[in-house]
Amino acid sequence: EDQVTQSPEALRLQEGESSSLNCSYTVSGLRGLFWYRQDPGKGPEFLFTLYSAGEEKEKERLKATLTKKESFLHITAPKPEDSATYLCAVQGSDSNYQLIWGAGTKLIIKP
Amino acid sequence: GAGVSQSPSNKVTEKGKDVELRCDPISGHTALYWYRQSLGQGLEFLIYFQGNSAPDKSGLPSDRFSAERTGGSVSTLTIQRTQQEDSAVYLCASSAMGGMNQPQHFGDGTRLSIL
Repeated sequence: EDQVTQSPEALRLQEGESSSLNCSYTVSGLRGLFWYRQDPGKGPEFLFTLYSAGEEKEKERLKATLTKKESFLHITAPKPEDSATYLCAVQGSDSNYQLIWGAGTKLIIKP
Repeated sequence: GAGVSQSPSNKVTEKGKDVELRCDPISGHTALYWYRQSLGQGLEFLIYFQGNSAPDKSGLPSDRFSAERTGGSVSTLTIQRTQQEDSAVYLCASSAMGGMNQPQHFGDGTRLSIL
């Protein structure tokens, strides 16, 4: 069964304290792995798509990496405005469009 | 507008009433998705529209749920005889085309509360 697990459920960091969020997945043939950011009361906002193991993408203080079993979202020197819930989703080869979503990691950056 | 628009943003109704939720996708996007998001849960797929093809309704939780998409643009999700377990945030997303690893762009959702 296709599955996505994100850890930790919640993470509290001090401003400037770098860390990583994890997305572990089980899927029959990965077509793509997606990272989104969701602020309270808002819809998810697209961040990155990763397609194959070894791929990396960066945006400001965020860097996403991918292996055959998991993806990491590295946050370098975070600021309070990086506080949000980060969602991971995967698309497997048995679906042309359906995504399997993780429950998210709630990130809180304290000033 | 540039983004996906959903209305209403909040809806409170009594158990047993019918509700209609509206989604206006990004202009030119042919694929449209409805999801349900409950606290602490991943997004639950409800229904998918792609162009003029028959929709994938496989995620609808019961026959009280239905959706339509008129003219390949605006979509309406209808919940009949609402139950308390229907309380959730209903999210709509669109993408440039279905599949092909296209990212989905989301509206801000409708927060539905059933009393």
